[in-house]
Amino acid sequence: GQQVMQIPQYQHVQEGEDFTTYCNSSTTLSNIQWYKQRPGGHPVFLIQLVKSGEVKKQKRLTFQFGEAKKNSSLHITATQTTDVGTYFCAGFDFRNSGYALNFGKGTSLLVTP
Amino acid sequence: DTGVSQDPRHKITKRGQNVTFRCDPISEHNRLYWYRQTLGQGPEFLTYFQNEAQLEKSRLLSDRFSAERPKGSFSTLEIQRTEQGDSAMYLCASSLVPGGNSPLHFGNGTRLTVT
Repeated sequence: GQQVMQIPQYQHVQEGEDFTTYCNSSTTLSNIQWYKQRPGGHPVFLIQLVKSGEVKKQKRLTFQFGEAKKNSSLHITATQTTDVGTYFCAGFDFRNSGYALNFGKGTSLLVTP
Repeated sequence: DTGVSQDPRHKITKRGQNVTFRCDPISEHNRLYWYRQTLGQGPEFLTYFQNEAQLEKSRLLSDRFSAERPKGSFSTLEIQRTEQGDSAMYLCASSLVPGGNSPLHFGNGTRLTVT
């Protein structure tokens, strides 16, 4: 079945540094979504990417979807302490997994002031 | 929009007992998902419903797990003969249109501890 892998597992940065997390799928995805989970909280939707090569921005966050629709990345510019949390990518592969949204293990971001 | 509601927030049970969790999705959301999350892991897909129909169930899901959504509104997840390995956070999520096109809204989860 489809698997989603994320690296790195953890990232510790100083406030103001940039951060990037990478997501790779074992199969071609129909679309990919990104979620953020704060410590003690539940996953909260950030964005969805659908088109090959798509790039979307949300303030300091930049999301990319690979040309082959098998990988994605999230880049945060000039991190702030409010960015602390775990970032998950989650992919749909309708052909192999139906409507199951499969999550990666996430990248935990710690930002120190 | 009152969000996805889950009950109880915490459940402690002894091994071998049955437990049942409830999820109330956002009203008018027709799709409902159950996930399980353990520490340091991403949410693991368990099952989902479109209205009252259970359309997909994880192949990894034990026969001890069963879920229902009798009237296409709230859903229940039952675990029979609980084992220590069932200890986890059980998350419910709902979405408005077919999941590939809209975000999942998660509830706060039910944390299960099996002693």
